[in-house]
Amino acid sequence: AQTVTQSQPEMSVQEAETVTLSCTYDTSESNYYLFWYKQPPSRQMILVIRQEAYKQQNATENRFSVNFQKAAKSFSLKISDSQLGDTAMYFCAFMNPGGSEKLVFGKGMKLTVNP
Amino acid sequence: DVKVTQSSRYLVKRTGEKVFLECVQDMDHENMFWYRQDPGLGLRLIYFSYDVKMKEKGDIPEGYSVSREKKERFSLILESASTNQTSMYLCASSYPDRYGYTFGSGTRLTVV
Repeated sequence: AQTVTQSQPEMSVQEAETVTLSCTYDTSESNYYLFWYKQPPSRQMILVIRQEAYKQQNATENRFSVNFQKAAKSFSLKISDSQLGDTAMYFCAFMNPGGSEKLVFGKGMKLTVNP
Repeated sequence: DVKVTQSSRYLVKRTGEKVFLECVQDMDHENMFWYRQDPGLGLRLIYFSYDVKMKEKGDIPEGYSVSREKKERFSLILESASTNQTSMYLCASSYPDRYGYTFGSGTRLTVV
């Protein structure tokens, strides 16, 4: 079974700084999808970024980018120019496309952006 | 925008009650999911459905059942609520396109 590990339960950063959230996963599959979700205090889970394992190019979405290291099974999220609105829980997730599109989530990490 | 609506934001129920958590999506998504979120444990899959009247067990189905009579609605049922089912429950839906889910805002259930 696939597992997703987020080893840092909590981080804080100053506004405008850059922060990196780490995620590792375990799978024997060669084709899969990886996601980062954000859950602000409003509780609405929001998709931040998605990476397809067969694409070598790292995904980017505005201030959010990933460092995808397939051999190391690592999928970190970099947030540039942190904003107060980035304060949230962040979840890394894995999807094996061969089945029913279930997402396997990590335990999450609480990010606080300080003014 | 796709919307996933969970009928209650907060619920308080008594031990032994039968509890229904309702979820409705308005984008004709085939897949629907129920997750449970607990601090330090992340999100764990309870049940999912990839079509009307179809359901599959997730990782922690014990004590729960589901119903999907219409494509847009996926209900989670706690047959006899227990205090260890106090948690945040998240519903999600998706197309079978590997682009991830759209989530509802969650129902925080307290069983006393």
